[in-house]
Amino acid sequence: GENVEQHPSTLSVQEGDSAVIKCTYSDSASNYFPWYKQELGKRPQLIIDIRSNVGEKKDQRIAVTLNKTAKHFSLHITETQPEDSAVYFCAASPTGTASKLTFGTGTRLQVTL
Amino acid sequence: NAGVTQTPKFQVLKTGQSMTLQCAQDMNHNSMYWYRQDPGMGLRLIYYSASEGTTDKGEVPNGYNVSRLNKREFSLRLESAAPSQTSVYFCASRPGQQETQYFGPGTRLLVL
Repeated sequence: GENVEQHPSTLSVQEGDSAVIKCTYSDSASNYFPWYKQELGKRPQLIIDIRSNVGEKKDQRIAVTLNKTAKHFSLHITETQPEDSAVYFCAASPTGTASKLTFGTGTRLQVTL
Repeated sequence: NAGVTQTPKFQVLKTGQSMTLQCAQDMNHNSMYWYRQDPGMGLRLIYYSASEGTTDKGEVPNGYNVSRLNKREFSLRLESAAPSQTSVYFCASRPGQQETQYFGPGTRLLVL
């Protein structure tokens, strides 16, 4: 089955700096890669996703890059703000009827003033 | 449109007790999922239902059973709770033509 590794487990940045979170996956059949943000005590919420036919996707201050050859993908947050503080999860799945997601273990991002 | 709802929000059980976690979605989604979330381990898939009438095991199914009651509802049952099942349980649903999964608010379960 799929195995997703995520690094770092914790990340502290100053407000206004950039943050990068990296994930690797093992199953070459995976072609859908979402990123979820989870605030303390809340549900995971999708912030951005990418499919294998695309190398990069941006949404305002958030971007995701995908390298299918190396089986890794990354989340980039620019101009970080205190409200970006949360736990971020990457995931991978093959598309299809079930689209089962395999999640990474999460990165706790702390944005300090 | 409430999205994905879960009941109860919090539950305390004694070892050996049984209970059912309820999940419902009002978005007419085809697929539904149950995950557990433990510190440092991300979200792990327990069971899923690709469509009404079907269920399949995920990564960590032992000790659990599920029922896809209809298109809206997907329940998770613990027949004999164990302390190792102390966790936060999330239900999620997905439309048929998209990969995005939408999560419920979670159920926090403590087994003593």
